[in-house]
Amino acid sequence: DTAVSQTPKYLVTQMGNDKSIKCEQNLGHDTMYWYKQDSKKFLKIMFSYNNKELIINETVPNRFSPKSPDKAHLNLHINSLELGDSAVYFCASSQRGDNGYTFGSGTRLTVV
Amino acid sequence: QKEVEQDPGPLSVPEGAIVSLNCTYSNSAFQYFMWYRQYSRKGPELLMYTYSSGNKEDGRFTAQVDKSSKYISLFIRDSQPSDSATYLCAMSAGGTYKYIFGTGTRLKVLA
Repeated sequence: DTAVSQTPKYLVTQMGNDKSIKCEQNLGHDTMYWYKQDSKKFLKIMFSYNNKELIINETVPNRFSPKSPDKAHLNLHINSLELGDSAVYFCASSQRGDNGYTFGSGTRLTVV
Repeated sequence: QKEVEQDPGPLSVPEGAIVSLNCTYSNSAFQYFMWYRQYSRKGPELLMYTYSSGNKEDGRFTAQVDKSSKYISLFIRDSQPSDSATYLCAMSAGGTYKYIFGTGTRLKVLA
């Protein structure tokens, strides 16, 4: 049973479209994250939610809107997609903020 | 200067070698340190987690933290081809819910 699952695994879409990525964790963790990994493998935090409350928003364009309906789910909606949004987006979870993360397998987004 | 620096590699070693992977950092407030392994097209997987300075060993893996030098290392003994992956360091000041990642070192272990 997958601990952190993301859907879809691959997403190819045209510029200007709106898309969503879903994430669910079954570990009982209280904190969830979205990270973006660029083509050079650099992982950068975008958002963090603790018990459904937004606690980190790292200067991400407001075209990106996270939503956490409950502490087991964290979704990412992206409006007006741009070429520069092409990357792999990873969801992760942890119990409190200072413990190790469990990552999902990633969503590879390609904007054409 | 980036907060966390890591040599991108690639680092190629023969099977059975001892591998040393390193990160340096600039923020003296960092207290929590992690090493992740990432296989191609997969999510990062937590390997080692240490708090503050010192050593931690788990099987063939040893993590070292030297806070005075702002330097952390991951040693892999008796390296195997299955260890071929990208290794990412990550660190946090604590209480921030945010880990800063290095750019990763690509390791190839040749059979």
